[in-house]
Amino acid sequence: SAVISQKPSRDICQRGTSLTIQCQVDSQVTMMFWYRQQPGQSLTLIATANQGSEATYESGFVIDKFPISRPNLTFSTLTVSNMSPEDSSIYLCSVEAGLGGYGANVLTFGAGSRLTVL
Amino acid sequence: RKEVEQDPGPFNVPEGATVAFNCTYSNSASQSFFWYRQDCRKEPKLLMSVYSSGNEDGRFTAQLNRASQYISLLIRDSKLSDSATYLCVVRYTGFQKLVFGTGTRLLVSP
Repeated sequence: SAVISQKPSRDICQRGTSLTIQCQVDSQVTMMFWYRQQPGQSLTLIATANQGSEATYESGFVIDKFPISRPNLTFSTLTVSNMSPEDSSIYLCSVEAGLGGYGANVLTFGAGSRLTVL
Repeated sequence: RKEVEQDPGPFNVPEGATVAFNCTYSNSASQSFFWYRQDCRKEPKLLMSVYSSGNEDGRFTAQLNRASQYISLLIRDSKLSDSATYLCVVRYTGFQKLVFGTGTRLLVSP
């Protein structure tokens, strides 16, 4: 399966600042996804990063708050803009790789970026 | 109602016990089903897919009941290393998006 490198692994940031998280995959993949996992919660999809076009955002997430770049098939960034304490969360990059039955691909995740906003 | 619902637990069981988790989903158009495992402070990892006919992988057995819209995971002969959160995951027909349950926490004690 794909190997995903995600950084930073953790950071502590001040309110009002922005942080960019990087995701590097060891193989070319069509679709990359950004998830958020808030404390005690499950994973929520933020957006799908598309190479060569704008990201597709899920309900409740907007480009101004979470701008995403996807310059090529192995790399993506997620920026958390104008942060507030409510943005404290783990942000996970993922790709579809391999078969999980039904001919469907399954998700492989990066190790996550644990963000704390003071 | 949540799209994918799980009992959050925790389930506290002794080593060697058999434990079962259930998961219900609300969208009948759901097509693919998975169980992921997430260790504390780690990323989720695929445990197993769930096939319509049910499937087994060693000590783990997954079942799907489409009529009642639930999925189950059975773990036999629990090990200490099975302690983790188990996430039920559903993919809807025609969509790339996966919907995650909140997870069921399992604690296996000596």
